[in-house]
Amino acid sequence: DVVMTQTPLSLSVTPGQPASISCKSSQSLLHSDGKTYLYWYLQKPGQSPQLLIYALSSRFSGVPDRFSGSGSVTDFTLKISRVEAEDVGVYYCMQRLHLPFTFGPGTKVDIK
Amino acid sequence: QVQLVESGGGLVKPGGSLRLSCTASGFSIIDYYMTWIRQAPGKGLEWLSYINSSGRTIYYADSVKGRFTISRDNAKNSLYLQMNSLRDEDTAIYYCVRDDYMLSDASDIWGQGTMVTVSS
Repeated sequence: DVVMTQTPLSLSVTPGQPASISCKSSQSLLHSDGKTYLYWYLQKPGQSPQLLIYALSSRFSGVPDRFSGSGSVTDFTLKISRVEAEDVGVYYCMQRLHLPFTFGPGTKVDIK
Repeated sequence: QVQLVESGGGLVKPGGSLRLSCTASGFSIIDYYMTWIRQAPGKGLEWLSYINSSGRTIYYADSVKGRFTISRDNAKNSLYLQMNSLRDEDTAIYYCVRDDYMLSDASDIWGQGTMVTVSS
């Protein structure tokens, strides 16, 4: 199975400051169709997960542009340009190129 | 309003069975792959299974293969998960999820989840 790792596992951020989460996969997530099948989800406290980024860098509808996804092949990053209070929760990366699809362990983000 | 609503969770003894249902509203599931994902208490997300639009293509995680069966009834706009031979480690919130091919198969709609507790 493809192993997804995330660093850090927890992050405390001052509002208005940037934040970055790294995700690494044990296998390439680049498909022959040119797409990278890497996704980012946010699970806010007490809620179901919600989609933030799909196919490496495309923002889902309604996701603020302060969120951005980047990277390639096996190394990926989610960046929040200016963290807001509503961004607290656990961020998960996920790959859906290789079955079984797998998630990273999650990065818990809170506000200082 | 586009939404997924799961039901059927509850308390079951080890070795027992449970059938989860997920009813979609605001869209037709026939247009989408559908997925089950679970989350054990205080833990991360675990992908379990998906089923394609026709129901002919199905995949399972090894942790549930041979014990769980995913199915769908497009006419009822519903997804199901039959869970047999349940174990303590199956205790989790089970989410029904829509995968949108227009978003490179991203899981864009999640249900609120239904809790399954396996305990004697």
